[in-house]
Amino acid sequence: EPEVTQTPSHQVTQMGQEVILRCVPISNHLYFYWYRQILGQKVEFLVSFYNNEISEKSEIFDDQFSVERPDGSNFTLKIRSTKLEDSAMYFCASSEVRLSSSYNSPLHFGNGTRLTVT
Amino acid sequence: SQQGEEDPQALSIQEGENATMNCSYKTSINNLQWYRQNSGRGLVHLILIRSNEREKHSGRLRVTLDTSKKSSSLLITASRAADTASYFCATDAWGAGNMLTFGGGTRLMVKP
Repeated sequence: EPEVTQTPSHQVTQMGQEVILRCVPISNHLYFYWYRQILGQKVEFLVSFYNNEISEKSEIFDDQFSVERPDGSNFTLKIRSTKLEDSAMYFCASSEVRLSSSYNSPLHFGNGTRLTVT
Repeated sequence: SQQGEEDPQALSIQEGENATMNCSYKTSINNLQWYRQNSGRGLVHLILIRSNEREKHSGRLRVTLDTSKKSSSLLITASRAADTASYFCATDAWGAGNMLTFGGGTRLMVKP
């Protein structure tokens, strides 16, 4: 079964450094997402992306964050200048259709990148 | 406002027993989904129920939705040790755009 893959599985970085988290969504999916989960807390929405544009973003997704689909397969999340509070699991997800479509449209998640900012 | 809050936060049962987890939400929804997360892993979609549906089954899973009470429940029947995981409800809220809002989750432990 096709799956969403994320690399690296664990990233350690120093405060103030830039990080890029990478994702390969399922190939025929058109909608892409980033979520994060701080240890022991709920899964929080960051951004959704369609047709090479951000469609929704949360308050968490400030100017330090950006997303890109540099080619036909990768979907990346960049944090420009990491802070300690950015430490979390970052999950990429994709869906075939828009969530509120009349077709069933679950999200397919990758296994996440654990980001540790020291 | 909080959307999608589960209770209980943690549940411990014996293998073979049924597990019931509840989810409440605050705004109108298009659909509600349940996901499972094994420790340190990604979320796996279990079941989706639309706002005009009241009950849905998938194998040992049964989901109900009461839009008048803005609540849903997930029942796992005849639980197995392999069902040990965290379970999250997620809502696709009306007018919120293309995003899911997740609840805090229920940590289920099934003892063999």
